[in-house]
Amino acid sequence: GAVVSQHPSRVICKSGTSVKIECRSLDFQATTMFWYRQFPKQSLMLMATSNEGSKATYEQGVEKDKFLINHASLTLSTLTVTSAHPEDSSFYICSASTVDSGETQYFGPGTRLLVL
Amino acid sequence: QKEVEQDPGPLSVPEGAIVSLNCTYSNSAFQYFMWYRQYSRKGPELLMYTYSSGNKEDGRFTAQVDKSSKYISLFIRDSQPSDSATYLCAMYWTGGSEKLVFGKGTKLTVNP
Repeated sequence: GAVVSQHPSRVICKSGTSVKIECRSLDFQATTMFWYRQFPKQSLMLMATSNEGSKATYEQGVEKDKFLINHASLTLSTLTVTSAHPEDSSFYICSASTVDSGETQYFGPGTRLLVL
Repeated sequence: QKEVEQDPGPLSVPEGAIVSLNCTYSNSAFQYFMWYRQYSRKGPELLMYTYSSGNKEDGRFTAQVDKSSKYISLFIRDSQPSDSATYLCAMYWTGGSEKLVFGKGTKLTVNP
Protein backbone atom coordinates (compact mmCIF):
# COMPACT_ATOMS: atom_id res chain seq x y z
CA GLY A 1 0.00 0.00 0.00
CA ALA A 2 0.81 3.73 0.01
CA VAL A 3 2.10 3.90 -3.54
CA VAL A 4 2.83 7.22 -5.20
CA SER A 5 3.42 7.46 -8.92
CA GLN A 6 4.79 10.25 -11.09
CA HIS A 7 4.41 10.84 -14.76
CA PRO A 8 6.44 11.26 -16.84
CA SER A 9 9.56 9.70 -15.37
CA ARG A 10 11.75 11.64 -17.76
CA VAL A 11 11.06 14.61 -20.01
CA ILE A 12 13.16 16.65 -22.40
CA CYS A 13 11.81 19.94 -23.60
CA LYS A 14 12.89 23.07 -25.40
CA SER A 15 13.62 26.28 -23.58
CA GLY A 16 10.53 28.46 -23.29
CA THR A 17 8.01 25.63 -23.24
CA SER A 18 5.95 24.50 -20.27
CA VAL A 19 6.07 21.05 -18.74
CA LYS A 20 3.49 19.40 -16.53
CA ILE A 21 4.40 16.68 -14.05
CA GLU A 22 1.72 14.57 -12.42
CA CYS A 23 1.84 13.01 -8.98
CA ARG A 24 -0.74 10.42 -8.04
CA SER A 25 -1.48 8.48 -4.89
CA LEU A 26 -2.60 5.13 -6.23
CA ASP A 27 -4.16 3.42 -3.26
CA PHE A 28 -4.85 6.11 -0.71
CA GLN A 29 -6.20 9.58 -0.43
CA ALA A 30 -3.48 12.15 -0.03
CA THR A 31 -4.60 15.08 2.04
CA THR A 32 -1.24 16.74 1.63
CA MET A 33 1.26 16.55 -1.21
CA PHE A 34 4.78 17.88 -1.30
CA TRP A 35 6.97 18.84 -4.23
CA TYR A 36 10.73 18.59 -3.98
CA ARG A 37 13.61 19.38 -6.25
CA GLN A 38 16.95 17.67 -6.15
CA PHE A 39 20.26 18.54 -7.82
CA PRO A 40 22.89 15.83 -8.20
CA LYS A 41 24.22 14.61 -4.85
CA GLN A 42 22.24 17.28 -3.04
CA SER A 43 19.45 16.99 -0.55
CA LEU A 44 15.87 17.12 -1.56
CA MET A 45 14.72 20.73 -1.41
CA LEU A 46 11.12 21.31 -0.52
CA MET A 47 9.48 23.58 -3.06
CA ALA A 48 5.90 23.67 -1.90
CA THR A 49 3.24 21.96 0.15
CA SER A 50 -0.29 21.60 -1.10
CA ASN A 51 -3.52 20.52 0.51
CA GLU A 52 -6.38 19.30 -1.59
CA GLY A 53 -8.63 22.11 -2.69
CA SER A 54 -6.49 24.95 -1.42
CA LYS A 55 -3.58 27.00 -2.71
CA ALA A 56 -0.10 25.63 -2.36
CA THR A 57 2.28 27.03 0.22
CA TYR A 58 5.60 27.82 -1.41
CA GLU A 59 8.96 27.79 0.28
CA GLN A 60 10.99 30.96 0.35
CA GLY A 61 12.78 31.56 -2.92
CA VAL A 62 10.44 29.41 -5.02
CA GLU A 63 8.64 31.39 -7.70
CA LYS A 64 4.90 30.76 -7.58
CA ASP A 65 4.35 31.89 -11.15
CA LYS A 66 7.16 29.71 -12.39
CA PHE A 67 6.15 26.52 -10.63
CA LEU A 68 2.39 26.17 -10.74
CA ILE A 69 0.97 23.57 -8.39
CA ASN A 70 -2.55 22.26 -8.55
CA HIS A 71 -3.96 19.76 -6.05
CA ALA A 72 -7.38 19.29 -7.55
CA SER A 73 -8.27 15.98 -5.95
CA LEU A 74 -7.20 13.72 -3.10
CA THR A 75 -5.22 11.54 -5.47
CA LEU A 76 -3.67 13.98 -7.92
CA SER A 77 -1.33 16.94 -7.77
CA THR A 78 0.38 18.55 -10.73
CA LEU A 79 3.47 20.69 -11.00
CA THR A 80 3.79 22.82 -14.12
CA VAL A 81 7.14 24.35 -14.89
CA THR A 82 6.26 27.38 -17.01
CA SER A 83 8.57 28.85 -19.61
CA ALA A 84 11.25 26.35 -18.72
CA HIS A 85 14.92 27.28 -18.96
CA PRO A 86 18.03 25.11 -18.79
CA GLU A 87 18.57 26.05 -15.14
CA ASP A 88 15.23 24.38 -14.37
CA SER A 89 16.75 21.04 -15.36
CA SER A 90 16.58 18.92 -12.25
CA PHE A 91 15.01 15.93 -10.57
CA TYR A 92 11.51 16.66 -9.27
CA ILE A 93 10.03 14.41 -6.61
CA CYS A 94 6.61 14.47 -5.03
CA SER A 95 5.45 12.88 -1.84
CA ALA A 96 2.11 12.48 -0.17
CA SER A 97 0.78 12.05 3.29
CA THR A 98 -2.58 11.23 4.76
CA VAL A 99 -4.40 12.10 7.93
CA ASP A 100 -3.60 8.59 9.19
CA SER A 101 0.07 8.59 8.20
CA GLY A 102 0.85 11.57 10.38
CA GLU A 103 4.27 12.89 9.44
CA THR A 104 5.14 9.95 7.24
CA GLN A 105 5.49 10.91 3.62
CA TYR A 106 5.30 8.43 0.78
CA PHE A 107 7.62 9.38 -2.03
CA GLY A 108 7.13 9.11 -5.75
CA PRO A 109 9.90 7.85 -8.03
CA GLY A 110 10.78 11.26 -9.37
CA THR A 111 10.76 12.99 -12.75
CA ARG A 112 13.95 14.01 -14.46
CA LEU A 113 13.54 17.22 -16.44
CA LEU A 114 16.07 18.30 -19.02
CA VAL A 115 15.55 21.66 -20.66
CA LEU A 116 17.55 22.23 -23.81
CA GLN B 1 8.03 -8.18 -2.93
CA LYS B 2 8.73 -4.48 -2.71
CA GLU B 3 11.88 -3.18 -4.32
CA VAL B 4 13.14 -1.65 -1.10
CA GLU B 5 12.22 -2.83 2.36
CA GLN B 6 12.84 -0.80 5.47
CA ASP B 7 11.53 -1.48 8.95
CA PRO B 8 9.46 1.58 9.90
CA GLY B 9 10.17 1.13 13.61
CA PRO B 10 9.69 3.12 15.73
CA LEU B 11 13.12 2.65 17.23
CA SER B 12 13.88 4.09 20.65
CA VAL B 13 17.39 4.06 22.13
CA PRO B 14 19.18 5.75 25.04
CA GLU B 15 21.62 8.56 24.40
CA GLY B 16 25.08 7.26 23.54
CA ALA B 17 23.85 4.02 22.01
CA ILE B 18 24.98 2.73 18.64
CA VAL B 19 22.09 2.75 16.20
CA SER B 20 21.82 0.41 13.25
CA LEU B 21 19.36 1.18 10.47
CA ASN B 22 18.92 -1.18 7.56
CA CYS B 23 17.34 -1.61 4.17
CA THR B 24 17.14 -4.58 1.87
CA TYR B 25 16.46 -4.43 -1.83
CA SER B 26 15.58 -6.84 -4.55
CA ASN B 27 16.86 -5.17 -7.73
CA SER B 28 20.51 -5.95 -8.32
CA ALA B 29 20.71 -3.09 -10.85
CA PHE B 30 20.78 -0.46 -8.10
CA GLN B 31 24.12 1.29 -8.11
CA TYR B 32 23.74 4.36 -5.94
CA PHE B 33 22.62 4.30 -2.35
CA MET B 34 21.63 7.17 -0.14
CA TRP B 35 20.52 7.81 3.40
CA TYR B 36 18.31 10.77 4.20
CA ARG B 37 17.38 12.22 7.56
CA GLN B 38 14.06 13.93 7.90
CA TYR B 39 13.09 15.99 10.91
CA SER B 40 9.48 16.56 11.72
CA ARG B 41 7.76 18.82 9.17
CA LYS B 42 10.98 19.28 7.18
CA GLY B 43 12.22 17.94 3.87
CA PRO B 44 14.65 15.04 3.87
CA GLU B 45 18.33 15.99 3.99
CA LEU B 46 20.99 13.88 2.39
CA LEU B 47 23.26 12.25 4.97
CA MET B 48 25.31 9.76 3.03
CA TYR B 49 25.76 8.93 -0.64
CA THR B 50 27.58 5.78 -1.68
CA TYR B 51 28.26 4.04 -4.95
CA SER B 52 30.13 0.84 -4.31
CA SER B 53 30.10 -1.91 -1.76
CA GLY B 54 31.96 -1.30 1.46
CA ASN B 55 31.92 1.31 4.18
CA LYS B 56 31.83 5.07 4.05
CA GLU B 57 32.34 7.09 7.19
CA ASP B 58 31.40 10.66 7.98
CA GLY B 59 31.76 11.71 11.58
CA ARG B 60 29.47 9.60 13.72
CA PHE B 61 27.77 8.10 10.67
CA THR B 62 28.87 5.04 8.73
CA ALA B 63 27.10 3.79 5.64
CA GLN B 64 27.63 0.20 4.63
CA VAL B 65 26.66 -1.42 1.34
CA ASP B 66 26.71 -5.15 0.71
CA LYS B 67 25.67 -5.65 -2.88
CA SER B 68 26.04 -9.41 -2.73
CA SER B 69 23.40 -9.55 0.00
CA LYS B 70 21.44 -6.56 -1.34
CA TYR B 71 21.63 -4.98 2.06
CA ILE B 72 22.56 -1.48 3.17
CA SER B 73 23.03 -0.10 6.65
CA LEU B 74 23.51 3.19 8.40
CA PHE B 75 25.26 3.17 11.76
CA ILE B 76 25.12 6.09 14.15
CA ARG B 77 27.70 6.09 16.92
CA ASP B 78 27.28 7.95 20.21
CA SER B 79 23.69 8.79 19.31
CA GLN B 80 22.33 12.13 20.48
CA PRO B 81 18.78 13.36 21.10
CA SER B 82 19.27 15.63 18.09
CA ASP B 83 19.54 12.48 15.96
CA SER B 84 15.86 11.81 16.62
CA ALA B 85 14.29 11.86 13.18
CA THR B 86 13.05 9.62 10.43
CA TYR B 87 15.78 8.00 8.36
CA LEU B 88 15.06 7.01 4.78
CA CYS B 89 17.15 4.88 2.49
CA ALA B 90 16.96 5.48 -1.24
CA MET B 91 18.62 3.99 -4.28
CA TYR B 92 18.69 4.18 -8.05
CA TRP B 93 20.57 3.10 -11.13
CA THR B 94 21.61 4.93 -14.25
CA GLY B 95 21.10 3.81 -17.78
CA GLY B 96 17.42 3.14 -17.37
CA SER B 97 14.66 5.33 -16.08
CA GLU B 98 16.88 6.49 -13.20
CA LYS B 99 14.00 5.71 -10.97
CA LEU B 100 14.65 6.70 -7.40
CA VAL B 101 13.21 4.26 -4.91
CA PHE B 102 12.77 5.18 -1.30
CA GLY B 103 12.37 2.98 1.72
CA LYS B 104 9.45 3.82 3.93
CA GLY B 105 11.68 5.34 6.59
CA THR B 106 12.55 4.36 10.16
CA LYS B 107 11.52 6.68 12.95
CA LEU B 108 14.28 6.98 15.53
CA THR B 109 14.02 8.50 18.99
CA VAL B 110 17.14 8.99 21.10
CA ASN B 111 16.23 9.47 24.73
CA PRO B 112 18.38 11.71 26.94
